[in-house]
Amino acid sequence: KQEVTQIPAALSVPEGENLVLNCSFTDSAIYNLQWFRQDPGKGLTSLLLIQSSQREQTSGRLNASLDKSSGRSTLYIAASQPGDSATYLCAVSRQGGKLIFGQGTELSVKP
Amino acid sequence: GAVVSQHPSWVICKSGTSVKIECRSLDFQATTMFWYRQFPKQSLMLMATSNEGSKATYEQGVEKDKFLINHASLTLSTLTVTSAHPEDSSFYICSARAGGPGTDTQYFGPGTRLTVL
Repeated sequence: KQEVTQIPAALSVPEGENLVLNCSFTDSAIYNLQWFRQDPGKGLTSLLLIQSSQREQTSGRLNASLDKSSGRSTLYIAASQPGDSATYLCAVSRQGGKLIFGQGTELSVKP
Repeated sequence: GAVVSQHPSWVICKSGTSVKIECRSLDFQATTMFWYRQFPKQSLMLMATSNEGSKATYEQGVEKDKFLINHASLTLSTLTVTSAHPEDSSFYICSARAGGPGTDTQYFGPGTRLTVL
């Protein structure tokens, strides 16, 4: 059974810092891995999607890497801003499109 | 971009009543829709996969007679929580995928907050 774990559960940083969020999964037979952002009481916004054959994806200040063999992914946020404060979720996709989510990392960026 | 809406955004009901939540893809046809639930401070748990015109596939441990899913058209799926109880209080989120299993992108709705008194 696939399990997805995110560390840390919560993170507080001052504005401007670079930071890394971690995601690990137990079964390396994934179709892809996605990082999402969720604001309190809201739905999910897709940030980055990495196919199983890819090593990384970049969008603006965000960079996500994938090491499928070791079952790990990281989300790197450069020059963090207060507007980045949210919960970040990673999810792996298996056959049929079903997503298995981690518990999320609650990020707080203080001005 | 693709937009998925949910209605209502929040609902409060008495124990024992049934509640229907709608999930609509506004500008694309969704062959598959997924329903998730999320408890406070916890992650999303997949409840069921809904394909247009066929019966939903439920995840292990999800009562299909309690959570009725209908996907009658390519733009609408509904989740009905029957005989709701306080333990059903949760945040319900749907997602919609255009195309077949090889299509990667799922678009998520804004969620529906259900509170059962």
